[in-house]
Amino acid sequence: AQSVTQLGSHVSVSEGALVLLRCNYSSSVPPYLFWYVQYPNQGLQLLLKYTTGATLVKGINGFEAEFKKSETSFHLTKPSAHMSDAAEYFCAVMSGGYQKVTFGIGTKLQVIP
Amino acid sequence: NAGVTQTPKFQVLKTGQSMTLQCAQDMNHNSMYWYRQDPGMGLRLIYYSASEGTTDKGEVPNGYNVSRLNKREFSLRLESAAPSQTSVYFCASSERGGANVLTFGAGSRLTVL
Repeated sequence: AQSVTQLGSHVSVSEGALVLLRCNYSSSVPPYLFWYVQYPNQGLQLLLKYTTGATLVKGINGFEAEFKKSETSFHLTKPSAHMSDAAEYFCAVMSGGYQKVTFGIGTKLQVIP
Repeated sequence: NAGVTQTPKFQVLKTGQSMTLQCAQDMNHNSMYWYRQDPGMGLRLIYYSASEGTTDKGEVPNGYNVSRLNKREFSLRLESAAPSQTSVYFCASSERGGANVLTFGAGSRLTVL
């Protein structure tokens, strides 16, 4: 079984401030982990992914995430928020060899000017 | 490349009516998925097809049927629509195996009155 918990369904940050979106996962086998972003009235787009190897993963638009096995976490960060980062962010998990991808409930990021 | 194309984009049904959501991908992907997105619940998997000729239930399959018509197309049918099926539906596809990066369609917004 696999599951994802995203802490905080809504997060507000000031423009230029640090963005931190939290994700914890549960998986019975080593997981693949993903962050997707959804802009209003659009489908989801891949932001970054962790498969194996380096635990710090860099994605598009300056985002990065760190896989911490001991904490079963995969938090998403960006040093300085931009207005264009306002969107909904989804963490997702896939257990290796298991074709289903399970998503968290999403976190809506608001960026305040 | 068009990627993943869903039709229709919007649909309003009356309770008890039937309809089919169509999905086609032009990336030669093996796996295809149908998700529904509801406020506060993230994306939930309805059905998926790991490869042509196979389909499997996801988390919320009740009230839906699917057909993997060929490698490109994966349709979702509501035989007797209910208000609880009011949602935004997303089709996605991926290459089978490895990190299962999903490519999403733009979504289909369905309202059941």
